[in-house]
Amino acid sequence: DQQVKQNSPSLSVQEGRISILNCDYTNSMFDYFLWYKKYPAEGPTFLISISSIKDKNEDGRFTVFLNKSAKHLSLHIVPSQPGDSAVYFCAASRYDDKIIFGKGTRLHILP
Amino acid sequence: NAGVTQTPKFQVLKTGQSMTLQCAQDMNHNSMYWYRQDPGMGLRLIYYSASEGTTDKGEVPNGYNVSRLNKREFSLRLESAAPSQTSVYFCASSGRGLNTEAFFGQGTRLTVV
Repeated sequence: DQQVKQNSPSLSVQEGRISILNCDYTNSMFDYFLWYKKYPAEGPTFLISISSIKDKNEDGRFTVFLNKSAKHLSLHIVPSQPGDSAVYFCAASRYDDKIIFGKGTRLHILP
Repeated sequence: NAGVTQTPKFQVLKTGQSMTLQCAQDMNHNSMYWYRQDPGMGLRLIYYSASEGTTDKGEVPNGYNVSRLNKREFSLRLESAAPSQTSVYFCASSGRGLNTEAFFGQGTRLTVV
């Protein structure tokens, strides 16, 4: 039973445009949500997070939006750059509990 | 800054062989994790340790055992390797409390033939 779902295995976006990656979760007890970026042959690296008490968190080109009623979050990257091509994982956790990851979305930034 | 260190980086095993994947972190984190990554399956949690001396099963624990030797080290053991355990294994650690992210090692690519 997947608690964190990323339904788009891949996404292609033109360089300079906005990339929107989506994530849904089923466990209403989750209160902390994270996005990770992964390049081939490397470990995942933390990108941005959001607490359930917020609905938006911004860090430079990256913004995460949380819609608790819909159990949905999204990561916006503006503008998209070639170095953003990677696999993006959505993750969620409860306070002081383990972190559960989705299956990932492979983002291709097209020149 | 070492962060999370995994050894070995690559390993080939024959079916039925055993091995231990080592992980150590130098960030004084309480929580440590073992995940496996397979194509199309994302990062699946094998085992989790919230603190020294405690371990909990994750989504896919069958065929694995773990030891939280001390606060720094969390090892993953395959007692009798199977081809289905061919995967990339990642160790991670995180602090406790509100809003703490996990830091990952570079991974161990394991092939079981």
